[in-house]
Amino acid sequence: KNEVEQSPQNLTAQEGEFITINCSYSVGISALHWLQQHPGGGIVSLFMLSSGKKKHGRLIATINIQEKHSSLHITASHPRDSAVYICAVRETSGSRLTFGEGTQLTVNP
Amino acid sequence: NAGVMQNPRHLVRRRGQEARLRCSPMKGHSHVYWYRQLPEEGLKFMVYLQKENIIDESGMPKERFSAEFPKEGPSILRIQQVVRGDSAAYFCASSPQSGISGNTIYFGEGSWLTVV
Repeated sequence: KNEVEQSPQNLTAQEGEFITINCSYSVGISALHWLQQHPGGGIVSLFMLSSGKKKHGRLIATINIQEKHSSLHITASHPRDSAVYICAVRETSGSRLTFGEGTQLTVNP
Repeated sequence: NAGVMQNPRHLVRRRGQEARLRCSPMKGHSHVYWYRQLPEEGLKFMVYLQKENIIDESGMPKERFSAEFPKEGPSILRIQQVVRGDSAAYFCASSPQSGISGNTIYFGEGSWLTVV
């Protein structure tokens, strides 16, 4: 079992839909990151969370430390949101990031 | 303020050759991380360096791979005698302080290595 599990693996939505991507982890963490990766491109850090909720534009990220679970929400999705979204955790025991397998999101016009 | 700069973006090597990937962290960042993304797989940690020190290399293969972050100049990930299985995207990331405090991390655009 991976230390970081994401669901779903693949998600197809219509433009305008509300999207949720989930991340569960099994280790103690000091922070959780949500990352975005476009095909053939680099990786952008969207959020870093250690508790509660953060919002940036149409993106919202929440984390429940007790349940070891985080969600990334996209409101009013748009085709340009199509990308791979990756959950990554920083364990309390070190500085490295451990990554989920990623969620491939496709938003159709 | 330039972001994390990686070069080359794309590198083709024949089996047995050496590959050198360079990473210049963001200005003011003294912590560098290298991650590897094999085709159709997720990102995996390789090594964490500070200036002139390797802090954690537990994700590095024991042979053929080495990394450095000298006092001056970029961090370098070196792969000797490359094999086809080394074909992957190699990402560098930097942060201003130790990740223990949960600082935001910044990624480079990646270096895509193809071994033919």
